[in-house]
Amino acid sequence: GAVVSQHPSRVICKSGTSVKIECRSLDFQATTMFWYRQFPKQSLMLMATSNEGSKATYEQGVEKDKFLINHASLTLSTLTVTSAHPEDSSFYICSASSGGVGELFFGEGSRLTVL
Amino acid sequence: AQSVSQHNHHVILSEAASLELGCNYSYGGTVNLFWYVQYPGQHLQLLLKYFSGDPLVKGIKGFEAEFIKSKFSFNLRKPSVQWSDTAEYFCAVNAGYSSASKIIFGSGTRLSIRP
Repeated sequence: GAVVSQHPSRVICKSGTSVKIECRSLDFQATTMFWYRQFPKQSLMLMATSNEGSKATYEQGVEKDKFLINHASLTLSTLTVTSAHPEDSSFYICSASSGGVGELFFGEGSRLTVL
Repeated sequence: AQSVSQHNHHVILSEAASLELGCNYSYGGTVNLFWYVQYPGQHLQLLLKYFSGDPLVKGIKGFEAEFIKSKFSFNLRKPSVQWSDTAEYFCAVNAGYSSASKIIFGSGTRLSIRP
């Protein structure tokens, strides 16, 4: 099956610093990737839709200047949390579509802890 | 806007018991429906999906779900659960027809199986 890899799996940073999370589709080309955020014991909240070669589409309430998304190639999307604060601590998950409607392949997730 | 409701936050069953997890969605048009599962420490993965046709959908590991349009429901069922079914289950919906159509997740149901 299709494989999506995220890196890093865990990151701890100081408040005010920026953190970049990478999401790669390893064996298929992903025209669309989605970034989700998951709080403990809660569901996945869609943050943004990332389309290769164009600007990401952010969900209502998600600060696009805070969560920078770049989808520079068909196999790589990055999420940069800028000027991170403790409230940004969360589990961030990316997923990618290989073109089939609705079926997503998920990365392992990246746990961000901001001190 | 689309939304998904999962009524049970935590379900505890004994092995061999039958399972039904509720899922209701709100959207007036045609939808695609999914159940995803997240085993402890693993990625989200697709259990089954409904696009059209037979409203009774069979998925992996003996799971099935029934789409009842009049009730806006897509409940997940399994006749006899196993300890290995312990996981978090997410119902999801998308209303588009392209790979860029976003998927909205329910809040999840944690299933615990007693050996």
